Formats: sequence, structure tokens, C-alpha cells
Amino acid sequence: EAGVTQSPTHLIKTRGQQVTLRCSPISGHTSVYWYQQALGLGLQFLLWYDEGEERNRGNFPPRFSGRQFPNYSSELNVNALELEDSALYLCASSTGTSGPLTKNIQYFGAGTRLSVL
Amino acid sequence: GQQLNQSPQSMFIQEGEDVSMNCTSSSIFNTWLWYKQDPGEGPVLLIALYKAGELTSNGRLTAQFGTTRKDSFLNISASIPSDVGIYFCAGPHGSGNTGKLIFGQGTTLQVKP
Repeated sequence: EAGVTQSPTHLIKTRGQQVTLRCSPISGHTSVYWYQQALGLGLQFLLWYDEGEERNRGNFPPRFSGRQFPNYSSELNVNALELEDSALYLCASSTGTSGPLTKNIQYFGAGTRLSVL
Repeated sequence: GQQLNQSPQSMFIQEGEDVSMNCTSSSIFNTWLWYKQDPGEGPVLLIALYKAGELTSNGRLTAQFGTTRKDSFLNISASIPSDVGIYFCAGPHGSGNTGKLIFGQGTTLQVKP
């Protein structure tokens, strides 16, 4: 069974540009989560999508946005890139929002490494 | 807000040694998760804990859910070179389902062959 897949694996952008990152969840998973892992800062929660809706948002500015498609894949968009946006962006998926706790375990992809110059 | 504090921050051990690391919080968590992240990869789930006092093993790994619900421990027995990586504890934020996991800062493990 394929895990969470993310594309691209690496990306180099300049300040002020816009970027779109993509994520395909594990088959059967309906929830997708985005995290930012900046050097020395650990994993910070960005966004949670479930059944096409944004369910929760972390403490990030509005230029971080995303969406979830009917096939449950997701995009993360970052506008007006800043140097401090350089980080590994991780996508995770889980089976859903209700039911036993085991269904909400988040499984991570390998991430997209974004460098902003 | 909720925070998870991991210790030690890093460990450099000899192959074959046992390893212990822990995670503490000032808040109660109802679930504790332990992930491992290899360089250039995403975190991989090692062990999930759901009940206070629970002790769960996964091969050479053993994790415990502290009885106060404010801490958790991960032990690795007879370490091998492939145990190298960053180990994170994590728990769900808040009392309801917010989708958000809080992560500790990580414990970096290096194993000398």
C-alpha cells in the first residue's frame, strides 16, 4: 500500500514568489494535515482538511492557504514568500475524525524541502 | 499553551547500549505518540499509547504512558546503527479533536558502531 506522497521533493524560490505543494494521502484516508518543520523549530501545525473542508488552522499568516480536492488530495499554497518560509513542509493523513482513537493516527510523507533565496 | 519537553536533546552512544528518553508536559495528554525521523524523511510512527500506565513494545522499543498523563518514556534496547535519527514525542492538542499534534523538540540519537 502506498504511503503519503508529496511533490515536489525539493523547491527553490525567491522572496515574493508564490509556491504550491502537493500531497496525496494514503488510500482510504480522508483527513490531510500540513506541518512546517523549520530548522531548529520542530514541527509546527499549519492546516487540517477533512472531507474537503478546512477544519483547523495553526498560528500562521493568511498567505499560507490550501485546499482539499474531492479525491482527498491536497495543496498547500504560500504567497509572497519570505526567507523564513524556508523549511521542510510535511503532509500527513489519517482515516477520519470520528471513531476509535486509532483512526486518527497521522502518517507522514517524506516532505517537500522549500528554500527561499 | 500546551508544550512538550523532551530530554535529552541529543545522545551519542555505543552500539549495543540501551537508550532512554522522556517527554514531559505541564498539561495532561490523553494520547502519546512516538515518531522517528531519519534525515531527509518524514516522521514514522513507532508507538502509540492511549491509557495512563500503558506499557507497549515494538521490537526493541518500549514506551510507557506516565500515570500522571503528563509524561511518557521511550526505551531502546541493544541499539544498532540504524537507530540513528531524531525521536519525537507528540500528543493531540486540546481536549477535542483539533487535528493538531503538538511535538516535542526531539532527541537526536547517534550510535557509534
